[in-house]
Amino acid sequence: DIQMTQSPSALSASLGDRVTITCQASHDISKYLNWYQQKPGKAPKLLIYDASNLHTGVPSKFSGSGSGTVFTFTISSLQPEDTATYYCQQYDDLPLTFGGGTKVEIK
Amino acid sequence: EVQLLESGGGLVQPGGSLRLSCEVSGFTFSNYAMTWVRQAPGKGLEWVSSLSHNSARTFYADSVQGRFIVSRDNSKNTLYLQMNSLRAEDTAVYYCAKVSVTSYNGYFDYWGQGTLVTVSS
Repeated sequence: DIQMTQSPSALSASLGDRVTITCQASHDISKYLNWYQQKPGKAPKLLIYDASNLHTGVPSKFSGSGSGTVFTFTISSLQPEDTATYYCQQYDDLPLTFGGGTKVEIK
Repeated sequence: EVQLLESGGGLVQPGGSLRLSCEVSGFTFSNYAMTWVRQAPGKGLEWVSSLSHNSARTFYADSVQGRFIVSRDNSKNTLYLQMNSLRAEDTAVYYCAKVSVTSYNGYFDYWGQGTLVTVSS
């Protein structure tokens, strides 16, 4: 199975800060990496697909990069509505696997 | 507007069975694979199963292989998950999601609101 390791598991940042989350795959997954946002009590929402493509309607303050085994997800200017848990997910091979999540809070 | 609505969750005893449904609208259901993802209380996301657009191929996590059966009725725009031999560790919110392509290997672009399954005596 491909293990997805996210870091950090939680972070606290100030309004307007640039926030970066890393996701490392245990095997080369090319660009087959997605990022989801989940707010408390709500279903996950797709933000980024194929490592760097913004899903329809997603604000451009969110971005992703990387390929192979190391990927990053960035929020350019943290706002209160960005408080959530963020997950990476690979679809290069079965079983499909998610990272453990990164909980983002406002300091 | 794309909508997915799960139903069928509830309390069931260990060893029991439950069938979840996911009714969709707003897109051509028969053109896309579908998937189930679950989330145990306070835990992260876990992929459970995927089904190709035409039901030709099914895919399961090892944790549910042989106990869960995924199916779909394209005439009813509905996805199903038949869950048998349920265990306490199956307790979770179950989400259905649309896959961006015809098989498992895509991104999950739209999700339902989830339905809670609790396995307990």
